[in-house]
Amino acid sequence: DAMVIQNPRYQVTQFGKPVTLSCSQTLNHNVMYWYQQKSSQAPKLLFHYYDKDFNNEADTPDNFQSRRPNTSFCFLDIRSPGLGDAAMYLCATSSAGGYYEQYFGPGTRLTVT
Amino acid sequence: KNEVEQSPQNLTAQEGEFITINCSYSVGISALHWLQQHPGGGIVSLFMLSSGKKKHGRLIATINIQEKHSSLHITASHPRDSAVYICAVGGAQKLVFGQGTRLTINP
Repeated sequence: DAMVIQNPRYQVTQFGKPVTLSCSQTLNHNVMYWYQQKSSQAPKLLFHYYDKDFNNEADTPDNFQSRRPNTSFCFLDIRSPGLGDAAMYLCATSSAGGYYEQYFGPGTRLTVT
Repeated sequence: KNEVEQSPQNLTAQEGEFITINCSYSVGISALHWLQQHPGGGIVSLFMLSSGKKKHGRLIATINIQEKHSSLHITASHPRDSAVYICAVGGAQKLVFGQGTRLTINP
């Protein structure tokens, strides 16, 4: 049973064309995270929601936005993708933060042409 | 200096060997996580621990809170264990990741 679902699994977009990545969860977890992972690197946290409270990492570019309309869904919007934004984007959830197990989705691989 | 350091960064071994991956951290933590990522794949949580030792199948994770050090051991390694293993330390709301250890097990 899929617990953290990401759509699409592969996304190709053009330079500068807005794109939205989707994450949904069936775990009813309070916390949802978005990570960016580039080849051979550790995941880099972009932002996270604790319930409706949005927490942006200091070095997350303004180009990246997020929405969480309800407990189950969270979206990552990239307003004007650049070539450097090509990466794997991982969504994860946790019941209440770093002391609890994180459940990761399969990721969306974004290609920017 | 990274807050979470793993060693080695790359490890190649023969099938059947005993594997050890180390993780040292410099921040206060609520829990330490060991994660596994296969090539092109998502991340799977292997262990979360805040003290002592945990075992799951051929995998064993230990943590020494005083020394701020954790190890992940794999007994009787198999080619399907080939993956990147990531140590992450958990704070109040988020994780701080190590750079990962790329493990290759040859048949």
